[in-house]
Amino acid sequence: GAVVSQHPSWVICKSGTSVKIECRSLDFQATTMFWYRQFPKQSLMLMATSNEGSKATYEQGVEKDKFLINHASLTLSTLTVTSAHPEDSSFYICSARDPLETNGYTFGSGTRLTVV
Amino acid sequence: QKEVEQNSGPLSVPEGAIASLNCTYSDRVSQSFFWYRQYSGKSPELIMSIYSNGDKEDGRFTAQLNKASQYVSLLIRDSQPSDSATYLCAGRGAQKLVFGQGTRLTINP
Repeated sequence: GAVVSQHPSWVICKSGTSVKIECRSLDFQATTMFWYRQFPKQSLMLMATSNEGSKATYEQGVEKDKFLINHASLTLSTLTVTSAHPEDSSFYICSARDPLETNGYTFGSGTRLTVV
Repeated sequence: QKEVEQNSGPLSVPEGAIASLNCTYSDRVSQSFFWYRQYSGKSPELIMSIYSNGDKEDGRFTAQLNKASQYVSLLIRDSQPSDSATYLCAGRGAQKLVFGQGTRLTINP
């Protein structure tokens, strides 16, 4: 089945620095990828939809200048958390829709971000 | 109304019993529905998808969809301790997948 690889699996960074998270579709081309954030004991909240070759579509309340999304190829989307603060500490998960599969949505393994 | 709603639980079921998880949805997410299982610290994994009214069975799992009532459920038969996890109901509207709050299920040996 479709595989989505996400790196790093965890990262600790200092407040004020930027962190980049990568999401790759390994065996299929993903024109659309999705970025979610999950706080402890809460559900997944969609942050943005990443479209290959065009600007990402952000959900209401998500700062596009803080969470930079780049989807430069059909197999790679990146999320950069800029000027990270402790409140950005969360579990970030990417997902891609394989257009060749009926049950389309495959998730990456997630990235645990801790900002100290 | 939220797009997808679940009872957050926790739900506790004895081993071997049937666990019943429920979800309602709004008109904005009416195309297809998914049940995901998520273990603590891990990303969700797909258990079942359902698109048409009625029941869909896969091993110990049965998904039920009632479009008239805008209701989706997941039944887990012969519950095992390894089924203890958070179960997420998701609905698809347009391109994106929208998740409910998740129900925390504990299977007691």
